[in-house]
Amino acid sequence: EAGVTQFPSHSVIEKGQTVTLRCDPISGHDNLYWYRRVMGKEIKFLLHFVKESKQDESGMPNNRFLAERTGGTYSTLKVQPAELEDSGVYFCASSQGNLAYNEQFFGPGTRLTVL
Amino acid sequence: AQTVTQSQPEMSVQEAETVTLSCTYDTSESDYYLFWYKQPPSRQMILVIRQEAYKQQNATENRFSVNFQKAAKSFSLKISDSQLGDAAMYFCASLEYGNKLVFGAGTILRVKS
Repeated sequence: EAGVTQFPSHSVIEKGQTVTLRCDPISGHDNLYWYRRVMGKEIKFLLHFVKESKQDESGMPNNRFLAERTGGTYSTLKVQPAELEDSGVYFCASSQGNLAYNEQFFGPGTRLTVL
Repeated sequence: AQTVTQSQPEMSVQEAETVTLSCTYDTSESDYYLFWYKQPPSRQMILVIRQEAYKQQNATENRFSVNFQKAAKSFSLKISDSQLGDAAMYFCASLEYGNKLVFGAGTILRVKS
């Protein structure tokens, strides 16, 4: 069974440009999460989808970030326009079920560098 | 709000020796879960071990075990018989009701041969 995949693995862009990150969850997983780790700091929650609906987007830093999950399958996270402080590693995770606890399986992350 | 603190940015251990990684957390909930995740260099983060707060018995997974001190809000990870493959970044995390993980800053573990 394929794990969570993310594309691209690395992205280097100029300040003010737009970048779109993609996450493909494990097949059949209704829950999809985005997290971000800014250099040397904690991994922070960004948002949580249940199928195509945003369950919790309390971690989204500002309106330059837009996440979508059309059809409840893969998800994209767009940053427009990118700022220097957006640099970091963006992780996607997925889980199945709606129990109080469902193990989250993580992708390898996308390393975003904004110059 | 939940917080998780890992006070050791980096640790080293000799192969075959034992090492303990520290983690403290803060929560107002009585029911929650605690985790240790491992991220090897350039690889995906994987779950190492999980502890349910309502269980008094410390979780164990082969060479990995935890020391869960609920009153002290402490959750340390002990790795016995360390192997070169254990070298990685280790993250402590907590989860309350819902599915939002809260992570610590991570501890880099180096294993010396």
